[in-house]
Amino acid sequence: DIQMTQSPSTLSASLGDTVTITCRASQSIDSWLAWYQQKPGKAPMLLIYKASTLQSGVSSRFSGRGSGTEFTLTISSLQPDDFATYYCQQYHSPWTFGHGTRVDVK
Amino acid sequence: QVQLQESGPGLVKPSQTLSLTCTVSGGSISNVDAYWNWFRQFPGEGPEWIGYIYYNGNTDYSPSLKSRVSMSVDTSKSHFSLRLTSVTAADTAVYYCARAQWSTLGWIIQHWGQGTLVTVSS
Repeated sequence: DIQMTQSPSTLSASLGDTVTITCRASQSIDSWLAWYQQKPGKAPMLLIYKASTLQSGVSSRFSGRGSGTEFTLTISSLQPDDFATYYCQQYHSPWTFGHGTRVDVK
Repeated sequence: QVQLQESGPGLVKPSQTLSLTCTVSGGSISNVDAYWNWFRQFPGEGPEWIGYIYYNGNTDYSPSLKSRVSMSVDTSKSHFSLRLTSVTAADTAVYYCARAQWSTLGWIIQHWGQGTLVTVSS
């Protein structure tokens, strides 16, 4: 199975900050990577797929980059609704997720 | 708008079989681009993919669970189901069903159920 490693595990930030989360794959996954946001008690919400394609309806403050084994999710101008946990997921079978990055209030 | 809803027992005894159903509304379960998935999530961890089933019954299961998992689909009732046998406390988790759509841009997993907590305990 392909292992997905996210860093940091927790990120403290203030409103208006720009933050970047990193996800590394244990082997090349080309651009087959998605990012999700999850809030407590809720299902994951798709933000980005194929590494950099923004899901319809998602704010353009979210952006994704990368290919191969290293990927980033950047959230610009952090808003109150952005404080949540973020997961990366690769989709070579079996699909696997990172352990998550919690973005909380500094 | 596609909606998914999980249903099934919230408590299962050790060694028994966990059975969940996901009812699909707002879209056809027979959509040729749609693959119907089960995930689970343990506290503080990322989701774990269990597997998917296509409307014609084709399946793909995670190798780590393959020996205990089976999925089925009932297109007439617009639902699909998960069975996980020989459960232990380690199978206690929130279980989600989700729709994955294949496109040239890869898998798009946009639609999820709300999740259901299944506890394995005597």
